[in-house]
Amino acid sequence: QSALTQPASVSGSPGQSITISCTGTSSDVGAYNYVSWYQQHPGKAPKDIIYGVSKRPSGVSDRFSGSKSGNTASLTISGLQAEDEADYYCNSYTSSSTYVFGTGTRVTVL
Amino acid sequence: QVQLQESGPGLVKPSETLSLTCSVSGGSVSSGGYYWSWIRQPPGKGLEWIGYFYDSGSTIYNPSLKSRVTISVDMSKNQFSLKVTSVTAADTAVYYCAGDQGHPNGMDIWGQGTTVTVSS
Repeated sequence: QSALTQPASVSGSPGQSITISCTGTSSDVGAYNYVSWYQQHPGKAPKDIIYGVSKRPSGVSDRFSGSKSGNTASLTISGLQAEDEADYYCNSYTSSSTYVFGTGTRVTVL
Repeated sequence: QVQLQESGPGLVKPSETLSLTCSVSGGSVSSGGYYWSWIRQPPGKGLEWIGYFYDSGSTIYNPSLKSRVTISVDMSKNQFSLKVTSVTAADTAVYYCAGDQGHPNGMDIWGQGTTVTVSS
């Protein structure tokens, strides 16, 4: 299985909104509404911030939102803050009952 | 709440077998509804899902690693384990264990990770 495709980097100024795309195939992202997103700060374990395409776990800021269209999922961070600077990974369940991660996106707050 | 802790050798020689254990606290590894995964991250690179087990022993693996990987459970110790055979430098990574309570909605519980280096 091939990794889902994400942009290597996205940047924005504090207060702005940014969107990270996650492109897969009809066998993963396009097959089910089982896309999740993870935030990873340097030297730390990933933390789930979105599951089921657009649902937020308890305690996650509502500045994080997710969506999906066809084979592409997206994560939007609104009201960008310095603490949002991190790596972000999408993940999808696949038609083979496996999981596949995205290539990862480094978010920089200017 | 459920917490996970990885443990195992930090250094493995090429061609040997990498063995890691994930200890589960605050819950049972045999409790229904949880899928238990291993994920790894090579230095400076992205996350790679290795595989998971569920239902007290059923397993699903990443096709690219399937021939070298085994995930097993020890219910008496409330642990699950990862073995990767015939390792090379490409298996050098931080290895995470994770739990997936709302399967297949992804991993909602993560261990802190353990670094494994493959080198002679």
